[in-house]
Amino acid sequence: GEDVEQSLFLSVREGDSSVINCTYTDSSSTYLYWYKQEPGAGLQLLTYIFSNMDMKQDQRLTVLLNKKDKHLSLRIADTQTGDSAIYFCAAQIVSGTYKYIFGTGTRLKVLA
Amino acid sequence: ETGVTQSPTHLIKTRGQQVTLRCSSQSGHNTVSWYQQALGQGPQFIFQYYREEENGRGNFPPRFSGLQFPNYSSELNVNALELDDSALYLCASSAGSQGSGSNTEAFFGQGTRLTVV
Repeated sequence: GEDVEQSLFLSVREGDSSVINCTYTDSSSTYLYWYKQEPGAGLQLLTYIFSNMDMKQDQRLTVLLNKKDKHLSLRIADTQTGDSAIYFCAAQIVSGTYKYIFGTGTRLKVLA
Repeated sequence: ETGVTQSPTHLIKTRGQQVTLRCSSQSGHNTVSWYQQALGQGPQFIFQYYREEENGRGNFPPRFSGLQFPNYSSELNVNALELDDSALYLCASSAGSQGSGSNTEAFFGQGTRLTVV
């Protein structure tokens, strides 16, 4: 089946690194995405990684992909209070349509 | 700003009524997907339109229907509203290519918050 799982909460101190983890079940997922959602807002695309890559770095964001274990992580360096939000992992499923399967989201709280 | 706009931003409807939500896709994008995000949950795929044709559907009943227009904007219609239809409805646009069988990353609008009472 198609499923994406994330831990529900993460709390870090300002300036520390945050690591948000995600596991997915569909091995045919071609792209994996991280989205950020602030209260009352839509989804903001943060970064994505193609399934044949192990790592992608984009400024403060680092995505690691372990395809064998179907495990994805997002590391935010030097976490700021403005990073407080819900982070969603999404796997793109290609089966005639290009749909995303989202996790339930990880609520990141950054303490000053 | 993603260039994907949705209207209205908020809506209150009564159980049994019908609702139409609208989405303007980002310039150059020919694919629109709709998602339902219930409170405290991740978005769930409703359906996708590619060049005015439905191109896949999630596990939603037929009272959820849609349209895509020649300018690639889209509508989501929900008939016979139920209390459980209360959610944030998100539209996402992307650029698909039938020839290469690929689709770019999806950019989401701000959503329409629907409350059914």
